[in-house]
Amino acid sequence: GAVVSQHPSWVICKSGTSVKIECRSLDFQATTMFWYRQFPKQSLMLMATSNEGSKATYEQGVEKDKFLINHASLTLSTLTVTSAHPEDSSFYICSAKRGVGGSPATQYFGPGTRLLVL
Amino acid sequence: GQQLNQSPQSMFIQEGEDVSMNCTSSSIFNTWLWYKQDPGEGPVLLIALYKAGELTSNGRLTAQFGITRKDSFLNISASIPSDVGIYFCAGQEMNRDDKIIFGKGTRLHILP
Repeated sequence: GAVVSQHPSWVICKSGTSVKIECRSLDFQATTMFWYRQFPKQSLMLMATSNEGSKATYEQGVEKDKFLINHASLTLSTLTVTSAHPEDSSFYICSAKRGVGGSPATQYFGPGTRLLVL
Repeated sequence: GQQLNQSPQSMFIQEGEDVSMNCTSSSIFNTWLWYKQDPGEGPVLLIALYKAGELTSNGRLTAQFGITRKDSFLNISASIPSDVGIYFCAGQEMNRDDKIIFGKGTRLHILP
């Protein structure tokens, strides 16, 4: 149990276009999902916390108008990178939290989406 | 915010050797987590630690939550080829129930 999927697994786009990445919890409901970004040979950095039915909470330095997050259901959160530029090229990873409260160990990570902006 | 210092940055070992890596923080964490990330994949939880001094094993992996709550180590015994990957320590930030802060990772390479 506790499977999280992401789609697409990789995407290449032209500079200036928008890209949508989906994160789904397949066998559990997730009121909270998280979006991370990982540059090559770097650690995972939390971008934002997505709560079902409410606005996302962004970490300091992350532009909310550039990285649009929608958590419309208990099993789906989407991240849209608007007007993507080459510096947005990265590995985007989501996680979904099973249950409310409790340990951070109940966050399950997706397989990631590699974005390359040309 | 809180930061984690993870070492070593990378390791090159022979198959069968034991491995040890550690993380330190300048401030207290409530929970320590150890993850493994394979290339092109998301991280997978290996061990979660909740109490100061706690020592937990998962197969050939053993991890401990430091007494001061500012450090943790992970040991891998008798390494095998599938142990290759990046190991991240992570901690639950104080007063942020869900926020996980990751260390910079330890890249484990096994020499043929």
